[in-house]
Amino acid sequence: KAGVTQTPRYLIKTRGQQVTLSCSPISGHRSVSWYQQTPGQGLQFLFEYFSETQRNKGNFPGRFSGRQFSNSRSEMNVSTLELGDSALYLCASSGTLGAGTSPLHFGNGTRLTVT
Amino acid sequence: QKEVEQNSGPLSVPEGAIASLNCTYSDRGSQSFFWYRQYSGKSPELIMFIYSNGDKEDGRFTAQLNKASQYVSLLIRDSQPSDSATYLCAVIGSNDYKLSFGAGTTVTVRA
Repeated sequence: KAGVTQTPRYLIKTRGQQVTLSCSPISGHRSVSWYQQTPGQGLQFLFEYFSETQRNKGNFPGRFSGRQFSNSRSEMNVSTLELGDSALYLCASSGTLGAGTSPLHFGNGTRLTVT
Repeated sequence: QKEVEQNSGPLSVPEGAIASLNCTYSDRGSQSFFWYRQYSGKSPELIMFIYSNGDKEDGRFTAQLNKASQYVSLLIRDSQPSDSATYLCAVIGSNDYKLSFGAGTTVTVRA
């Protein structure tokens, strides 16, 4: 069974630009969560989607948004990029809604660098 | 106060020894607790989860939970160099069901 696939693996953008990251969950998984990982803040929850609906949201500004498609694939968008948005963005899928009911399976992440 | 706190380490142990990792959490109503392992440059992978007070063993790993003290720990017995990684404690919030991670403890096993 294929794992969680994130594209692209690396991105370099400049301040003020926007970026879209993509995540394909494990086949059959309907929940997709997004996390930001930085050396200073660790792993921080961005949002969770289930059946095309955002079910949970972390404490990030509105510049961070996402969506989920009918095939469970998800995209995350960051607008008006800031230097502080440089991070590893991880997507995780699970078979059920809520990370507590079934394990999260993480993708390899997208490394975003904002210059 | 952070929701989930861990000693950042690094924790250095000799091969064959027991590595002990600690985690405290602030949400008294939390019911689900997880330990993830993250190798350098890789994504986190789940190694243990625990829901009930007491110990849960899986191979060389033992998770211990004490809800009264809001404390969860991970013991790695017979530590191997391949156990060298960052270990992340994660807790499900009782109200929002968000999975919150600690900053992670970096473990180095010396051969």
